Amino acid sequence: GEDVEQSLFLSVREGDSSVINCTYTDSSSTYLYWYKQEPGAGLQLLTYIFSNMDMKQDQRLTVLLNKKDKHLSLRIADTQTGDSAIYFCAESMNTGFQKLVFGTGTRLLVSP
Amino acid sequence: GAGVSQSPSNKVTEKGKDVELRCDPISGHTALYWYRQSLGQGLEFLIYFQGNSAPDKSGLPSDRFSAERTGGSVSTLTIQRTQQEDSAVYLCASSLDGLRNEKLFFGSGTQLSVL
Repeated sequence: GEDVEQSLFLSVREGDSSVINCTYTDSSSTYLYWYKQEPGAGLQLLTYIFSNMDMKQDQRLTVLLNKKDKHLSLRIADTQTGDSAIYFCAESMNTGFQKLVFGTGTRLLVSP
Repeated sequence: GAGVSQSPSNKVTEKGKDVELRCDPISGHTALYWYRQSLGQGLEFLIYFQGNSAPDKSGLPSDRFSAERTGGSVSTLTIQRTQQEDSAVYLCASSLDGLRNEKLFFGSGTQLSVL
């Protein structure tokens, strides 16, 4: 079945770049997403990438997709303390709607 | 409304009781989803509504779980005869048309605790 894996924890210093990695198994996934969850809040979509792309950049965020290795990464440039949160990658199953399979989440801690 | 609203934000119930969780999606959004976030299982899809119909309810864990949507708007997730393993955060989300390149807006969730 579908399985999305992430490392559990990442700690960086303010101003550094953060790279959060994700591997997925469903080769038919055409959309891959990154979500952010802050304490007591719902999930917030950060960005998504379509499977015919290798890279997508959106301000401080860069998403890299390696379809051959089924590897997705999210790079946050100039990481700020406000970026501390849990980050989830998700793949969209091959349906006509957003039936998402989420990873386990990576807790990012940014220290001053 | 301005965002997806869920109520109650917290619910504590006794094992065996029924509970109802409510979701008010963003006005005009035809697609509505229920997901569950638990320590043991992570984030799981439960059910998808397009308008008032549910083309995919494959994620509902057992027949104790049911959901409905009326008027193409408010949705209610009902759990009958609650069990301790039902304890989780139940998240509702909505999007305009249900397409995969649309932004999915999540509510803050209902924290359900079954004692």
